[in-house]
Amino acid sequence: SQTIHQWPATLVQPVGSPLSLECTVEGTSNPNLYWYRQAAGRGLQLLFYSVGIGQISSEVPQNLSASRPQDRQFILSSKKLLLSDSGFYLCAWTSIRVDTEAFFGQGTRLTVV
Amino acid sequence: GESVGLHLPTLSVQEGDNSIINCAYSNSASDYFIWYKQESGKGPQFIIDIRSNMDKRQGQRVTVLLNKTVKHLSLQIAATQPGDSAVYFCAEKGGSNDYKLSFGAGTTVTVRA
Repeated sequence: SQTIHQWPATLVQPVGSPLSLECTVEGTSNPNLYWYRQAAGRGLQLLFYSVGIGQISSEVPQNLSASRPQDRQFILSSKKLLLSDSGFYLCAWTSIRVDTEAFFGQGTRLTVV
Repeated sequence: GESVGLHLPTLSVQEGDNSIINCAYSNSASDYFIWYKQESGKGPQFIIDIRSNMDKRQGQRVTVLLNKTVKHLSLQIAATQPGDSAVYFCAEKGGSNDYKLSFGAGTTVTVRA
């Protein structure tokens, strides 16, 4: 069966520090991968998605970047965190078929102080 | 930004009653829709989906209705239970070869005992 791992679960980082969140998927190949951010009491904002190694689509220009160095690995990064980067970050995957649901990781609660 | 929106941000329901959660989407080319349930501090979980060639789909205690004419989606929960208290999101995917999965702001459902 397929599983998605996302870590860490919680993170407190100072303003100006770098960020690296990692997401890996097991049990499938060629997944579509997604990074979302969720502010408190708000919906899920799509940040990046990827349909293959090295292929990254950016939805919202901001202080973040994403990379996909391996087929089942998706990394969200920042060189210098801002207070506004605080939020709940979720990684998700879907199969290559367009009409299949996304499966989510358990999320990372990031607090920038 | 988010292309899927919801009519009501909160819904309070008496235990045992039926719940109806509404969603409006903006992309007329979207051909796949999903409802998710999110409990506090967790990633969203799949509830039910529907393709654009259907107008109704039923699951266990849940029914999704799709009205493409007015670009409206709804989720009906029968005999609402305390465990149904959560935030519910609708999501849409665009047409073929469009892998972007967009979410609305969410409806918080609270079940009263």
